[in-house]
Amino acid sequence: DAKTTQPPSMDCAEGRAANLPCNHSTISGNEYVYWYRQIHSQGPQYIIHGLKNNETNEMASLIITEDRKSSTLILPHATLRDTAVYYCIVNNNNDMRFGAGTRLTVKP
Amino acid sequence: GAVVSQHPSWVICKSGTSVKIECRSLDFQATTMFWYRQFPKQSLMLMATSNEGSKATYEQGVEKDKFLINHASLTLSTLTVTSAHPEDSSFYICSASPLAGPGETQYFGPGTRLLVL
Repeated sequence: DAKTTQPPSMDCAEGRAANLPCNHSTISGNEYVYWYRQIHSQGPQYIIHGLKNNETNEMASLIITEDRKSSTLILPHATLRDTAVYYCIVNNNNDMRFGAGTRLTVKP
Repeated sequence: GAVVSQHPSWVICKSGTSVKIECRSLDFQATTMFWYRQFPKQSLMLMATSNEGSKATYEQGVEKDKFLINHASLTLSTLTVTSAHPEDSSFYICSASPLAGPGETQYFGPGTRLLVL
């Protein structure tokens, strides 16, 4: 019952920026956009989240469109260790519900 | 960031036995923890919400008598898979948050891989 749509897979060259899109056209006014990633056989790792404004931290940047119907996660300089499944989640409470995510492969 | 641990990291058991998985918040207290399971090549599926001092809330289709959840303290929740069968083999993951409410971050444990023979 995920409320987001993400491309199933993407490739990115090592050292280049990885831009991962997410559509959430039915997002409610009080729902946040969260990004997590899961490296093979590990628990999900929190990346970033935001409500309306763009956000940046040491891992990534989150760009949310003005109408909040879509967002983009940006990894500014992708490394091989960024290869993972990236999940975009929208919610306003604590239970994260995962969709299929985007499998990002960073290539040398 | 907040740290969530799980124990054991992997377990192999015989069909019909029960298995207990622990989820601990190491540097914060959590009134609510969540349990997920993930089958190979699939996404995480929320199983239940574990509430400290009260009964867990199970997602539709998850058998509460099969998956017993106990949240006895603010730093520990346990998931017991009773009478485990091969179809229960999966990757079980818990999460917790230092604070409740919108905009708070859930932190996930490293997961427990269960193999039932």
